[in-house]
Amino acid sequence: QVQLQESGPGLVKPSETLSLTCTVSGGSVSSGSYYWSWIRQPPGKGLEWIGYIYYSGSTNYNPSLKSRVTISVDTSKNQFSLKLSSVTAADTAVYYCARGGGGGYFDLWGRGTLVTVSS
Amino acid sequence: EIVLTQSPDFQSVTPKEKVTITCRASQSIGSSLHWYQQKPDQSPKLLIKYASQSISGVPSRFSGSGSGTDFTLTINSLEAEDAAAYYCHQSSSLPQTFGQGTKVEIK
Repeated sequence: QVQLQESGPGLVKPSETLSLTCTVSGGSVSSGSYYWSWIRQPPGKGLEWIGYIYYSGSTNYNPSLKSRVTISVDTSKNQFSLKLSSVTAADTAVYYCARGGGGGYFDLWGRGTLVTVSS
Repeated sequence: EIVLTQSPDFQSVTPKEKVTITCRASQSIGSSLHWYQQKPDQSPKLLIKYASQSISGVPSRFSGSGSGTDFTLTINSLEAEDAAAYYCHQSSSLPQTFGQGTKVEIK
């Protein structure tokens, strides 16, 4: 079955760029049926949608983060990635990659990875 | 941005009791409302899609209803394994947004 796995540094310094990758296994990120999203959850708080990408490279971002976010896809590696620049402590969260977002529900989630912003 | 407001924020319930969680949208979203369950230290799991459509593998005690601005998630005959946080999510317009969550505790 299709599985998603986040990877990347667990600690990022303030003002630097957070970079995470989501590897899709058991399926293809190039499937035209799905969008691929990033969602985050600060410790003890609720969920925030960051943005999504389609395999063609088309993206859409949450306006609250748009100036700092880039989501990209690498179909050859079956991965999609998140970059969040100029991070502060407020960006400390568990970051999830998920399948869905193009006007529908999120039916598949990665296990999530905690990213802490601290010097 | 569409704001989703869930109530209650917290509910302590005995097993076999019925649980009702509501989600109110700040503007009409049709049926583009989905429900998720998140157990401690786990990622969210899709429970209900498009307000009332069931998901394969999800126990039948979970059901959803509503349209427009008012939605309900019902858990019939609560089981101990249902202790979790529950979130609603709208996909009607961007940015997609989530409710603040409802934590269900088992007495």
